[in-house]
Amino acid sequence: EAGVTQFPSHSVIEKGQTVTLRCDPISGHDNLYWYRRVMGKEIKFLLHFVKESKQDESGMPNNRFLAERTGGTYSTLKVQPAELEDSGVYFCASSPTVYNEQFFGPGTRLTVL
Amino acid sequence: DQQVKQNSPSLSVQEGRISILNCDYTNSMFDYFLWYKKYPAEGPTFLISISSIKDKNEDGRFTVFLNKSAKHLSLHIVPSQPGDSAVYFCAASAGGSNYKLTFGKGTLLTVNP
Repeated sequence: EAGVTQFPSHSVIEKGQTVTLRCDPISGHDNLYWYRRVMGKEIKFLLHFVKESKQDESGMPNNRFLAERTGGTYSTLKVQPAELEDSGVYFCASSPTVYNEQFFGPGTRLTVL
Repeated sequence: DQQVKQNSPSLSVQEGRISILNCDYTNSMFDYFLWYKKYPAEGPTFLISISSIKDKNEDGRFTVFLNKSAKHLSLHIVPSQPGDSAVYFCAASAGGSNYKLTFGKGTLLTVNP
């Protein structure tokens, strides 16, 4: 069974540009989570989808971040416009139900110059 | 305001000995605790979990202990192996319909042959 996949693995962009990160959860997992780890700090929750609905987006930093999960399968996280402080590793995780452990993808390392 | 704290950034032990990783939390609403292991350039991998109704959970060489009155949990690895060398994250959730995880900053475990 394929694990959680994320694309791209690395992205280097300039301040003010737009970047879109993609996450493909494990097939059949209704729950999809986005997390972010800024260098030297803890992994922080961004938002949670149940199928295509946003269950909790309390961790989204500001309105420059937009997450979607059309059709309840893969998800995208768009940052527009990117700022220097957005640099970090963005992790996606999925689980079949909220009562199961979350399976993490390898992350996308975003560098904003 | 860090709700999950791992006060030891690193720990070094000899192969075959016990590794003890510690974690403290402040939010009394947390009722489910997990340990994740992370290798460089990979996402966190679930290791073991414990519900607040238990004080111990064991899985092979890994045991997690929970002391609710002290808001403290620990992960014991016995015997430690060089392949256990990784960053270990403590995480907690408050249950309900949203199991978003709150992470500590991680402890880098090095097991020396």
